[in-house]
Amino acid sequence: QKEVEQNSGPLSVPEGAIASLNCTYSDRVSQSFFWYRQYSGKSPELIMSIYSNGDKEDGRFTAQLNKASQYVSLLIRDSQPSDSATYLCAVGRNYGGATNKLIFGTGTLLAVQP
Amino acid sequence: NAGVTQTPKFQVLKTGQSMTLQCAQDMNHNSMYWYRQDPGMGLRLIYYSASEGTTDKGEVPNGYNVSRLNKREFSLRLESAAPSQTSVYFCASTWDGLNTGELFFGEGSRLTVL
Repeated sequence: QKEVEQNSGPLSVPEGAIASLNCTYSDRVSQSFFWYRQYSGKSPELIMSIYSNGDKEDGRFTAQLNKASQYVSLLIRDSQPSDSATYLCAVGRNYGGATNKLIFGTGTLLAVQP
Repeated sequence: NAGVTQTPKFQVLKTGQSMTLQCAQDMNHNSMYWYRQDPGMGLRLIYYSASEGTTDKGEVPNGYNVSRLNKREFSLRLESAAPSQTSVYFCASTWDGLNTGELFFGEGSRLTVL
């Protein structure tokens, strides 16, 4: 079992729709969770972080965390063609109280159709 | 504003050759990382340096060595390149050992080993 699992996609949604991206993780003691966006041929960039159960909203993006189910999701409202990218889920691994490793999933490719 | 700079951006090696990937950051970050990214495998941590003077193995350290030359620079060395090391390599840095999960990535170095 991979430590962080994502469906590789592609996930295809029409412009203006809600895109829902999902991620599961295996280490129950993980405390920090992140979503990175990576455009083709580019480097990843952080778009959302979440640490507590529930929802966290930032503009058109909402991150959801359910630690009991070991599940993290990212919702993108009013999807735009410019949102087309690979979305990487990352889980922070703690050592001695500090997070000093990020374990990444393989990413989900999102394609927003105009 | 350079951020994280990696050199070279592209390199072709023959099996058995050695090379060093250079990485420098100008953000005064404490922690630096080397990842490799392969199709279907996602980003995998090779080595990291939580602070100047320290280095630790990540998920896939075999065949690599690193040097944290000073606070700004973190190099990755392949002593005897193998085709399995064909990949895109990303250097990244962060201020606080990933407590916020925000890794700043370089543009990547695409390495092909023939």
